[in-house]
Formats: sequence, C-alpha cells, structure tokens
Amino acid sequence: AQTVTQSQPEMSVQEAETVTLSCTYDTSESDYYLFWYKQPPSRQMILVIRQEAYKQQNATENRFSVNFQKAAKSFSLKISDSQLGDAAMYFCAYREDRDDKIIFGKGTRLHILP
Amino acid sequence: GAVVSQHPSWVICKSGTSVKIECRSLDFQATTMFWYRQFPKQSLMLMATSNEGSKATYEQGVEKDKFLINHASLTLSTLTVTSAHPEDSSFYICSARQGPNIQYFGAGTRLSVL
Repeated sequence: AQTVTQSQPEMSVQEAETVTLSCTYDTSESDYYLFWYKQPPSRQMILVIRQEAYKQQNATENRFSVNFQKAAKSFSLKISDSQLGDAAMYFCAYREDRDDKIIFGKGTRLHILP
Repeated sequence: GAVVSQHPSWVICKSGTSVKIECRSLDFQATTMFWYRQFPKQSLMLMATSNEGSKATYEQGVEKDKFLINHASLTLSTLTVTSAHPEDSSFYICSARQGPNIQYFGAGTRLSVL
C-alpha cells in the first residue's frame, strides 16, 4: 500500500528566511502525482504545488518550489522568503495516475517567527 | 479557482440524532466527490468516494450504514451521519474532482455530538 511520511511534526522559521519541509513516500507505481497542501487555521485545504512523476523538472509556484527525487521517493517543499501568512499545517499527498484517491501524510505544522 | 461549498460549517447535535452535511461544487460539475474525516491535529482520512448516480465506495473500516452518502446531482453530494454518537465528533471535509488531475476542497464541517 502507498504511504506518505512527513517526519517533521513541527518546524519554525524566521520571517523572510527559507525553510524546507520533508516528505517521503512509498509506491510501486511509476505514474503518480505528488502534492503539497496548506491548511491554515481556517481549516480550508489549499493546493500549494503539484508535481507529475513523469516530469523531471521540479515544480515551482512563486516562493514555493519542490525537490522531487523519484528514485529516492522524496518530495520536499521549499518556501523562500517566508511570510507570516505561510504559518499553517502542510500536508504532503500522493495520488496514483489511475486513481482519484489522495493519500495524505500526517502533516508538518509550520510556525513563522516575526 | 473553482469553489466547493460545504454546509454547515459547524453543527452541534444530541446523541442519537442524524446530521446531514452538504458539499456543492459552485462553478463546475463534479461526477466524483470525496469525503474525509480529520481528527484534531491529525491528517485527513478518506472515508468514501461519492459518484454521481451510483453508490458510494467506502474505505475499509467505514460503516456505510452509519455514514450515508448521496450524490444525486453533478453539483451536490451529501453525507448523513446517522444516529450520531460522541465518538463521531470530528471535522469532516469534502472535495470535488474537476477534470482528471485537480480536486478542490470544501472548508469543512465541525461536528460536535453531545
């Protein structure tokens, strides 16, 4: 069965600094998608970034970028120039190409220090 | 981006009563919607996949007679928690699939059973 592991329950970063959240996953599939979702205190899940496994190039969305290492099954999220509004719970997630089900990691709570 | 509306955002009910939660895709049609449950400070666990015009597919360990799902139209899925008990208290989140690769999440419903 596919699993998603986030080994950092909590992290803190100084405002304007850069932080990297770790995620590893386990799958025997070759075609899949990986996601990072943000859940702020409002509890609304927000898609931060998405990576297709067949793409070698790392996805980037403004201050957010990923380091996708397919062979190592690693998918870390880098947040540059951290802002107070980035404080939230971040979930790494996986979905097979042929399935709709999203499997979430346990999350990393990110604190932004002013 | 697409919007998924979930109602109510918070409901308090007495033990033994039933509660209905609605999930609507506001500006797109969703043949598939998903229901998740999130315990405090934990990840989202998929409960069931709701398919328009057919029976929902429940994940292992989820009681289908306890959590009734109806997906009667392309924009509405409902989750009814029947004969709710305090252990059913949780945060319930729906999502709707738009196209093959994108899911949008509702803002969630906090259920408190007294």
